[in-house]
Amino acid sequence: DIQMTQSPSTLSASVGDRVTITCRATQSINSWLAWYQQKPGKAPKLLIYKASSLESGVPSRFSGSGSGTEFTLTISSLQPDDFATYYCQQYNSFWTFGQGTKVEIK
Amino acid sequence: QVQLQESGPGLVKPSETLSLTCTVSDGSINSYSLSWFRQPPGKGLECIGYIYYGGTTTYNPSLKSRVTILLDTSKSQFSLKLRSVTAADTAVYYCARSGLTMAQENWGQGTLVTVSS
Repeated sequence: DIQMTQSPSTLSASVGDRVTITCRATQSINSWLAWYQQKPGKAPKLLIYKASSLESGVPSRFSGSGSGTEFTLTISSLQPDDFATYYCQQYNSFWTFGQGTKVEIK
Repeated sequence: QVQLQESGPGLVKPSETLSLTCTVSDGSINSYSLSWFRQPPGKGLECIGYIYYGGTTTYNPSLKSRVTILLDTSKSQFSLKLRSVTAADTAVYYCARSGLTMAQENWGQGTLVTVSS
């Protein structure tokens, strides 16, 4: 299996901050990477697919980049609704997730 | 907007079979893939397996011996069976679908399944 490692595990930030989350794969996954947002008690929500494509309806403050083994999710200006846990997922081979990054209020 | 809804027992006894069904609205059962995930309380997401349009299935290697995913297009449903469950299988179970993005665009609300006698 391809292992996905996210960093940091927890991130404390303020409204308006620029936030970056990193996801690394143990082998190349080309651009077959997605990012999800999950709030407590809710299902994950797709934000980014194919590493950098913004899902329809997702605010443009979210962006993704990377290819191969290293990827980033950036929130350009953190909003109150963005405090949540974020997961990366590779779908190059059997789908696996990172362990999650919790974005907390500073 | 495509909607998915999980259904099935919320409590299963150890060694028995966990059975869940996912109903897909608006005819989107003919998706690129239909999948099952789970999330133990307070932990991360795990893919159980998925079925592609056309019927090919792929299962989590760690669960493969216990899992079956089936598709019933006539009912716009797909199902999960997980055999010989233990307390470690206690989790919120989600169904999801992917379309043109090939990522999981739509999710069910999730259903908590507890394994306990």
